[in-house]
Amino acid sequence: KNEVEQSPQNLTAQEGEFITINCSYSVGISALHWLQQHPGGGIVSLFMLSSGKKKHGRLIATINIQEKHSSLHITASHPRDSAVYICAVRGGATNKLIFGTGTLLAVQP
Amino acid sequence: GEEVAQTPKHLVRGEGQKAKLYCAPIKGHSYVFWYQQVLKNEFKFLISFQNENVFDETGMPKERFSAKCLPNSPCSLEIQATKLEDSAVYFCASSQFRHNEQFFGPGTRLTVL
Repeated sequence: KNEVEQSPQNLTAQEGEFITINCSYSVGISALHWLQQHPGGGIVSLFMLSSGKKKHGRLIATINIQEKHSSLHITASHPRDSAVYICAVRGGATNKLIFGTGTLLAVQP
Repeated sequence: GEEVAQTPKHLVRGEGQKAKLYCAPIKGHSYVFWYQQVLKNEFKFLISFQNENVFDETGMPKERFSAKCLPNSPCSLEIQATKLEDSAVYFCASSQFRHNEQFFGPGTRLTVL
């Protein structure tokens, strides 16, 4: 079993829909990252959080440390949001990232 | 610089040849990380540096992989005697301090034929 699990693996949405991607982890962490990987391969860091909730534009990330669970929400989705969204956790002892397997999001116009 | 730079963008090697990849972290960042992305979404940590010192090398296949970060030079990841399974995209990331956000470079796609 992977230390970081994401669901769903694939997600197709219509433009304007509210999207939720979930991440569960089984190890102790010091922080959780949400990353976006575009079709061209580049990786953009969306959020780094260790508690509570963060918002940036149409993106919201939440984390529940007790339940070892995080969610990434996209409001009013747009075709340009189509990408792979990756959850990655950083362990307490080292600062290496442990990655989930990603969620492939396709937003159709 | 303001971004993590990686060179080359693409690298093609015959099996058994050497491959060397380079990474210039963001100016002022003390930590450098190397990750390997195999297939589409399988990332593996390789090694991290704090300035020129190895910080964590638990992910490195020791037999053929080596890495360095020397002062005033780009960091490097070298693979001796490449194998087909080394074909992957290699990402470098840097962070200012140990527990800060990591910023990723564009990656180097290594193809071993």
